[in-house]
Amino acid sequence: GEDVEQSLFLSVREGDSSVINCTYTDSSSTYLYWYKQEPGAGLQLLTYIFSNMDMKQDQRLTVLLNKKDKHLSLRIADTQTGDSAIYFCAETSSSGTYKYIFGTGTRLKVLA
Amino acid sequence: EAQVTQNPRYLITVTGKKLTVTCSQNMNHEYMSWYRQDPGLGLRQIYYSMNVEVTDKGDVPEGYKVSRKEKRNFPLILESPSPNQTSLYFCASSLSTGSEDIQYFGAGTRLSVL
Repeated sequence: GEDVEQSLFLSVREGDSSVINCTYTDSSSTYLYWYKQEPGAGLQLLTYIFSNMDMKQDQRLTVLLNKKDKHLSLRIADTQTGDSAIYFCAETSSSGTYKYIFGTGTRLKVLA
Repeated sequence: EAQVTQNPRYLITVTGKKLTVTCSQNMNHEYMSWYRQDPGLGLRQIYYSMNVEVTDKGDVPEGYKVSRKEKRNFPLILESPSPNQTSLYFCASSLSTGSEDIQYFGAGTRLSVL
């Protein structure tokens, strides 16, 4: 079945860039998403990218997609302490099932 | 205010005692979904619904039931809860299933089955 994998932890210093990586297996993935979960809260959509795009930039966020390697990354520029959270990548496909597959989540810790 | 409301937020129960977690959205969304979140496993989709009276299994549907009798509500039913269903549950909704249709998540229900 489809699978989405992420590393569990990432620690960066305030002001540095963070790069969170994700790999997926579903070759029919059409839409890929990044969600943020703050402590005690639900998930909040940060950004998304179509599978026919290589890159998307949205303020401090840059999403890179390598469809050949099925690799997705989220770069956060000038990381702040408020960026400390769990980040999930997710994918869904147009194969007709409309299921969402989430990764395991990467816990980002920003050190002051 | 646009929101997805889950109740209860916290629940402790015993094995075998039927329970229902309610989910309601006020955005007239067609698509609704239930997930469970477990450490090291991320979010896994339990069931989803494309519209009223249309539901389908996600990746981990065993032990759960859902219903979608009206557009705004999508309750999750555990007929006979077991300890392996101890988890953090999230309900989500989106306008439809297009890529730009943001999934809005509820605040979560933490369930403990003893």
